[in-house]
Amino acid sequence: GENVEQHPSTLSVQEGDSAVIKCTYSDSASNYFPWYKQELGKGPQLIIDIRSNVGEKKDQRIAVTLNKTAKHFSLHITETQPEDSAVYFCAASKAGDMRFGAGTRLTVKP
Amino acid sequence: NAGVTQTPKFRVLKTGQSMTLLCAQDMNHEYMYWYRQDPGMGLRLIHYSVGEGTTAKGEVPDGYNVSRLKKQNFLLGLESAAPSQTSVYFCASTRQSGNTIYFGEGSWLTVV
Repeated sequence: GENVEQHPSTLSVQEGDSAVIKCTYSDSASNYFPWYKQELGKGPQLIIDIRSNVGEKKDQRIAVTLNKTAKHFSLHITETQPEDSAVYFCAASKAGDMRFGAGTRLTVKP
Repeated sequence: NAGVTQTPKFRVLKTGQSMTLLCAQDMNHEYMYWYRQDPGMGLRLIHYSVGEGTTAKGEVPDGYNVSRLKKQNFLLGLESAAPSQTSVYFCASTRQSGNTIYFGEGSWLTVV
């Protein structure tokens, strides 16, 4: 089955700096790559997603890039704010089977 | 505006007991999922369903069974609970593959 690896496991940045989280996947047939944000005690919530026919997508301070050849995708957060502090998960999906990375705990220091 | 609802939210079980977690969604979604979340291991897929009456195994299905008798409900059963099944369980649903997956708030299960 699909295997998703996510790095780094923890990331600490100063407010206003950028944060980058990277993921790789193993199954070339995966075609949907969402990113989720999880706050303490809650379920994950979608923040951005990208499909395999697109190389980059941006939504305000958040962007995702996908390299299908290398089978990796990345989340970029610019101008980070303390409220961006949370655990972030990447995922890869094929035909309804969605697998997640192990997560990145992002801390934004004021 | 309930979305995905999981019951119960908290449960303590003794080793060997059985229980069922119920997931209900009111969005008429075809696909439903059960994940478990453990520290440092992210969300691991237990079982999923692509429609009423269908189920499929994920990456960690052993020790669990599921049923999708009604489109809006997805049940996760533990026949004989083990301490290794202590975890937070999340149910999720989506309209179809490649669409946003919506998660429930989680069910905290402790097996002693």
